[in-house]
Amino acid sequence: EAQVTQNPRYLITVTGKKLTVTCSQNMNHEYMSWYRQDPGLGLRQIYYSMNVEVTDKGDVPEGYKVSRKEKRNFPLILESPSPNQTSLYFCASSFNYDRNQPQHFGDGTRLSIL
Amino acid sequence: DAKTTQPPSMDCAEGRAANLPCNHSTISGNEYVYWYRQIHSQGPQYIIHGLKNNETNEMASLIITEDRKSSTLILPHATLRDTAVYYCIVSSPIQGAQKLVFGQGTRLTINP
Repeated sequence: EAQVTQNPRYLITVTGKKLTVTCSQNMNHEYMSWYRQDPGLGLRQIYYSMNVEVTDKGDVPEGYKVSRKEKRNFPLILESPSPNQTSLYFCASSFNYDRNQPQHFGDGTRLSIL
Repeated sequence: DAKTTQPPSMDCAEGRAANLPCNHSTISGNEYVYWYRQIHSQGPQYIIHGLKNNETNEMASLIITEDRKSSTLILPHATLRDTAVYYCIVSSPIQGAQKLVFGQGTRLTINP
């Protein structure tokens, strides 16, 4: 089944403890992206990647890192998490970055930073 | 980014067609109109997209006006499972990012 898989689905952790949210897609998609969703603010793009070893900042990149060493994986790294990063996170992928390609989303990761 | 305007909420009876409107008066010629929906806090689900012509797939139909300033998503036979927040999005080609800017959407409630 074609899908975008995120792990973990839920995480409660403390300020400053490094964490990684993994994202993997099995559709051989070139384009991958991370969003966060907060009440009243909608979804906002954090980082995106147009292909392996190509990443760029979205609208809210502060406090996050990403890497794209393999086509299928696009982990989101919080080096020193803070409470303002408590949010619902979604990974998405599409065949490429063409505007005519829909993005497919994972089921989300709910992070709580205490 | 071309902005979209949607009604905050709508109701529809089960089995009837649900027609969700969207205004995007500042859309540019090379921008696509996308529709996604989100059920509770699940990941947004792609429904349909189009540029100029009307489009239909197994989930829905998309009607885009000739001037492209508005569109309507049609769910032909709504079921209770179609209760969700529906987002109309204009795909922004900023630096190849294909950024999707999700607004507040329309909360569609399908009533039995």
